[in-house]
Amino acid sequence: QKEVEQNSGPLSVPEGAIASLNCTYSDRVSQSFFWYRQYSGKSPELIMSIYSNGDKEDGRFTAQLNKASQYVSLLIRDSQPSDSATYLCAVTGNTPLVFGKGTRLSVIA
Amino acid sequence: GAGVSQSPRYKVAKRGQDVALRCDPISGHVSLFWYQQALGQGPEFLTYFQNEAQLDKSGLPSDRFFAERPEGSVSTLKIQRTQQEDSAVYLCASSPEGGNTGELFFGEGSRLTVL
Repeated sequence: QKEVEQNSGPLSVPEGAIASLNCTYSDRVSQSFFWYRQYSGKSPELIMSIYSNGDKEDGRFTAQLNKASQYVSLLIRDSQPSDSATYLCAVTGNTPLVFGKGTRLSVIA
Repeated sequence: GAGVSQSPRYKVAKRGQDVALRCDPISGHVSLFWYQQALGQGPEFLTYFQNEAQLDKSGLPSDRFFAERPEGSVSTLKIQRTQQEDSAVYLCASSPEGGNTGELFFGEGSRLTVL
């Protein structure tokens, strides 16, 4: 059974710092990797996708993938209080999208 | 509509009642997914439709759960004889892509509370 593991947090970082969110997955046939952001009481929103090893940057967000280590991470540079949310790692391949439990991020002003 | 629309947003049911949750996906989206999200947990996959065909229902927790999408657009998730453990937010998502895509557009969810 495919599993996606995340530290539930909360992860607290000061405003302007780099937030680092980590995720590991169990299924080696996984092919596509995603980060969703979920504000309290709201639905998940896709913020990053990554399909090959290495880094992918989009504004203040960088996704990193290491398939050999079965590890995905999300870096948020210049963290803002508005980044405070739960970040869900999600993986797909031969099965529909599987989510981790999420890491709660709190950015302190 | 502009986004995925779900109704009702909130539903309170007595144990044993049947409930029906509706999802209206983004127009033209081929794929439709239902997920269940318990408090403090990530979304758990329930079922997946490509157009009107239900291609995967492996996540439905019991035969009390039934989903349909008869015309390939609006979908309904029905839960019969609700139990307290069914209390959760039920999320619907759609995608223009077929197959096991990860780029999903979620609705705001239907929060079910079973007393």
